[in-house]
Amino acid sequence: DAKTTQPTSMDCAEGRAANLPCNHSTISGNEYVYWYRQIHSQGPQYIIHGLKNNETNEMASLIITEDRKSSTLILPHATLRDTAVYYCIVRVATQAGTALIFGKGTTLSVSS
Amino acid sequence: EPEVTQTPSHQVTQMGQEVILRCVPISNHLYFYWYRQILGQKVEFLVSFYNNEISEKSEIFDDQFSVERPDGSNFTLKIRSTKLEDSAMYFCASGYLGVSTEAFFGQGTRLTVV
Repeated sequence: DAKTTQPTSMDCAEGRAANLPCNHSTISGNEYVYWYRQIHSQGPQYIIHGLKNNETNEMASLIITEDRKSSTLILPHATLRDTAVYYCIVRVATQAGTALIFGKGTTLSVSS
Repeated sequence: EPEVTQTPSHQVTQMGQEVILRCVPISNHLYFYWYRQILGQKVEFLVSFYNNEISEKSEIFDDQFSVERPDGSNFTLKIRSTKLEDSAMYFCASGYLGVSTEAFFGQGTRLTVV
């Protein structure tokens, strides 16, 4: 079972920031937080990941609380194309490519 | 931009038949995965593959499934005797060497067992 808790769905107006929360209260010290999204039935798309520091890339920002028990994915200016299911995943970082275990995620609906 | 390629995009097969789903991972990647997604359900992990052997597998990945890297570029998933419940999207993913690296997914093969 997934070790994260996410809201089932969220709405966001186009052009506004989308803030997607994730709880991972049992996260271990060697586990990273990954975010993926899935648009329709396409393959999951990698967004961002982090260990304890906040991270930013061209797609999004990841804010991890100091105790690492929760995080927030921020899409700074949501567009209609950001409508998707967003998955927050915790994963042990090893050399052997540990599997990503997907939960049900958050369905983000961006509207104009 | 390099991507994971899966073929075919859609395959229809008779129950009991063998199917092989094919994937071409990103060229410098060393970790390979198969996932499936039954319509309306979550993405489920099947198997991971590294250094020419299975490194991890789920309960779903039973004896009817097998994986192979027959040459330097392809990664395949074989289902020996398909069942109706094997109908799903099958996603291949790959990742490069290193700690905490991300995995990149292909666009999937829709398998329909009739």
